[in-house]
Amino acid sequence: KQEVTQIPAALSVPEGENLVLNCSFTDSAIYNLQWFRQDPGKGLTSLLLIQSSQREQTSGRLNASLDKSSGRSTLYIAASQPGDSATYLCAVGGPGTASKLTFGTGTRLQVTL
Amino acid sequence: DTGVSQDPRHKITKRGQNVTFRCDPISEHNRLYWYRQTLGQGPEFLTYFQNEAQLEKSRLLSDRFSAERPKGSFSTLEIQRTEQGDSAMYLCASSPGSLRSYNEQFFGPGTRLTVL
Repeated sequence: KQEVTQIPAALSVPEGENLVLNCSFTDSAIYNLQWFRQDPGKGLTSLLLIQSSQREQTSGRLNASLDKSSGRSTLYIAASQPGDSATYLCAVGGPGTASKLTFGTGTRLQVTL
Repeated sequence: DTGVSQDPRHKITKRGQNVTFRCDPISEHNRLYWYRQTLGQGPEFLTYFQNEAQLEKSRLLSDRFSAERPKGSFSTLEIQRTEQGDSAMYLCASSPGSLRSYNEQFFGPGTRLTVL
């Protein structure tokens, strides 16, 4: 059974800092990995999707990496802003192409002024 | 592309009542997923449709839960004889189903259920 762990559970940083969120998973037979953002009481916004054959994906100030063999992914946020404050969720899909996502419990990020 | 929509956004009900939620996926997305999220946890998979066919159900989906997608477009999730433990956010997601999309899932705003 796939298990996904996210560390740290919570993080508070001053505005402008670069930061790294970590995600690990127990079964390397994945099809994809998605990073999401969730604001309090809201749904999930997809940030980045990494295919199992890829090593990284970038979107604006976000960069996600994937090391499938070691069961790890990181989300790097450059030059953090107060608007980045949210919970960040990592989810892995697979092994099938239509498989459900298995989520971690998230990292709650607060960016202070 | 108006995104995934869910209705209602909030539902308060008394224990023992039946409730039904609706999800409208992104147009032409043939895969539709239901997840449940409790406070402080990540979403957990409930069930998945490819067009109108329900292809996978989680063990979390007890016999009080039923989901349909009758014409391969919108979906409904019904909970019968609700219990306080059913209180959660119910999330719907859709994906295009093409290999090119790598099954990227797009989520709706969720339905917050409170069972009193």
